[in-house]
Amino acid sequence: RKEVEQDPGPFNVPEGATVAFNCTYSNSASQSFFWYRQDCRKEPKLLMSVYSSGNEDGRFTAQLNRASQYISLLIRDSKLSDSATYLCVVNGWDDKIIFGKGTRLHILP
Amino acid sequence: NAGVTQTPKFRVLKTGQSMTLLCAQDMNHEYMYWYRQDPGMGLRLIHYSVGEGTTAKGEVPDGYNVSRLKKQNFLLGLESAAPSQTSVYFCAIRDPASTDTQYFGPGTRLTVL
Repeated sequence: RKEVEQDPGPFNVPEGATVAFNCTYSNSASQSFFWYRQDCRKEPKLLMSVYSSGNEDGRFTAQLNRASQYISLLIRDSKLSDSATYLCVVNGWDDKIIFGKGTRLHILP
Repeated sequence: NAGVTQTPKFRVLKTGQSMTLLCAQDMNHEYMYWYRQDPGMGLRLIHYSVGEGTTAKGEVPDGYNVSRLKKQNFLLGLESAAPSQTSVYFCAIRDPASTDTQYFGPGTRLTVL
């Protein structure tokens, strides 16, 4: 099993729709979890941290399920500007940081 | 990414040439990382440092060397460039004591002919 796995997509979603991504991780000792957004030919940028209790930031909601070892990202009322690649990131206790390969999202007008 | 800068932004090398990429930060973070990103491969860790004077190997260290003589700078060296090192290189910083998030520089696009 890969350390961090994501569906590469692409997800082609009409503007205004809701879309959800999942990411699974293999190391149960992982400590911190994040979603990053990366635009074409740009650096990854933090979208949001993911907490066990779940957290929301505007149209974005992140959830962590430690028992099943996955995190999720939900985007509501999607905008054209949401088109990007979304990276799942998992930090281990040993300073090891694992990036997923990303899920590509295309919002269609 | 105002706190992380990378020099140069673009570079073209011939096979066998050497060069050094500079990552500089003004956020006083202890941890610094060098990644490369290739199409379909995602981000792969080359080397990292958990503090001034320390370095460690990542997932793909071969062909690269690093140095962290000053806390704010992390240098990545290619002693003898190869076409397989054509990639986009990202530097990142992290402060595990606070938010534990990584902040990335804008990247260096390197082509080796």
